[in-house]
Amino acid sequence: AQSVTQPDIHITVSEGASLELRCNYSYGATPYLFWYVQSPGQGLQLLLKYFSGDTLVQGIKGFEAEFKRSQSSFNLRKPSVHWSDAAEYFCAVAAGGNTPLVFGKGTRLSVIA
Amino acid sequence: ETGVTQSPTHLIKTRGQQVTLRCSSQSGHNTVSWYQQALGQGPQFIFQYYREEENGRGNFPPRFSGLQFPNYSSELNVNALELDDSALYLCASILAGTSAYEQYFGPGTRLTVT
Repeated sequence: AQSVTQPDIHITVSEGASLELRCNYSYGATPYLFWYVQSPGQGLQLLLKYFSGDTLVQGIKGFEAEFKRSQSSFNLRKPSVHWSDAAEYFCAVAAGGNTPLVFGKGTRLSVIA
Repeated sequence: ETGVTQSPTHLIKTRGQQVTLRCSSQSGHNTVSWYQQALGQGPQFIFQYYREEENGRGNFPPRFSGLQFPNYSSELNVNALELDDSALYLCASILAGTSAYEQYFGPGTRLTVT
């Protein structure tokens, strides 16, 4: 069975600083990997996804993530954080394209001036 | 804007009661999944429907049941509510025939059981 670990419960960064959110997964084969963002009171919005090919994937809102098979990781990065990026971020893994998502517990991002 | 709507937005029920939550997807989205998100946790998969048939279930008891209708709407029913059922319930739909494998999430229904 798949599982996802997001080691950081809460991260605070200054506006304009770089960001990296960590995600480690457990799955025997090549997983389908996703990052979602959830603002307070909102549903989940897909930031980016990885299925195959180039291990560095670009997403919306200036986010990118890198798949590292050797480390079973799929870390999310952004070079310069904006105050509007404050939200909850979830990493998720799936066994296939239309199969259920298994989510991590999330990382809450706070942005300070 | 994902085109997935859920109703109601908020709901308060008493332990032991039954509840029905609704989800409406866009045309062509023939797969719908439901997730439960407890406070401070990531969403957990409840079950999935494809063309009106359940084709996957997570670790939830039978008192959680669902329906999917031909008009791309769906329901989540929970019987004999327990306090631990208090959570945000999310539905997600997938557009048929796409290789994008993107699940479009609705805004959720916040259920409080007292």
